Amino acid sequence: SQKIEQNSEALNIQEGKTATLTCNYTNYSPAYLQWYRQDPGRGPVFLLLIRENEKEKRKERLKVTFDTTLKQSLFHITASQPADSATYLCALDPSAGGGNKLTFGTGTQLKVEL
Amino acid sequence: IAGITQAPTSQILAAGRRMTLRCTQDMRHNAMYWYRQDLGLGLRLIHYSNTAGTTGKGEVPDGYSVSRANTDDFPLTLASAVPSQTSVYFCASSVEGSYNEQFFGPGTRLTVL
Repeated sequence: SQKIEQNSEALNIQEGKTATLTCNYTNYSPAYLQWYRQDPGRGPVFLLLIRENEKEKRKERLKVTFDTTLKQSLFHITASQPADSATYLCALDPSAGGGNKLTFGTGTQLKVEL
Repeated sequence: IAGITQAPTSQILAAGRRMTLRCTQDMRHNAMYWYRQDLGLGLRLIHYSNTAGTTGKGEVPDGYSVSRANTDDFPLTLASAVPSQTSVYFCASSVEGSYNEQFFGPGTRLTVL
């Protein structure tokens, strides 16, 4: 069966450290993968998109990698701040270019402590 | 203010009642989507529309219907609500086609008793 797995346990890290979140998928061959941030009581907000032919994508303190052989994406936040505390969702289009109908992982909650 | 609005913010509904969740966007996006979010299951696609006048089924469409009479509005209807439809519902929109970010509304929290 097709699955997208993210760590269900919350990730607690100290301010200033690098947070690394994992997204693994099975039985998909996505053309791209997206990462979203969700705060409590709010809708998800888009952060980054990485294509299958891109190994790495950066945006300010954020970095995403995409390994199609391992079927894994890693999401890094460097110099983390308490304001980065949120749930982070990965999503992919299982139809390989079929129009942006996304399948989401369940998300990983990140807590950045002072 | 550009973006997506949803109404109502929250609703408690008796089982068997009909309910329409409203979604409006002013970004002129062709594509719109409805998701439900449940603890432990994440966001799941209910229905989508690639352009006005067309709709399609997502992963969990049973018990829900949608219409897309124009570009801006994409209402979701529960014809006869059941307790398993208790969830948080999110509407989203995007430019049509792949490789495009989705913009989400603030959500509607629905409780069916």
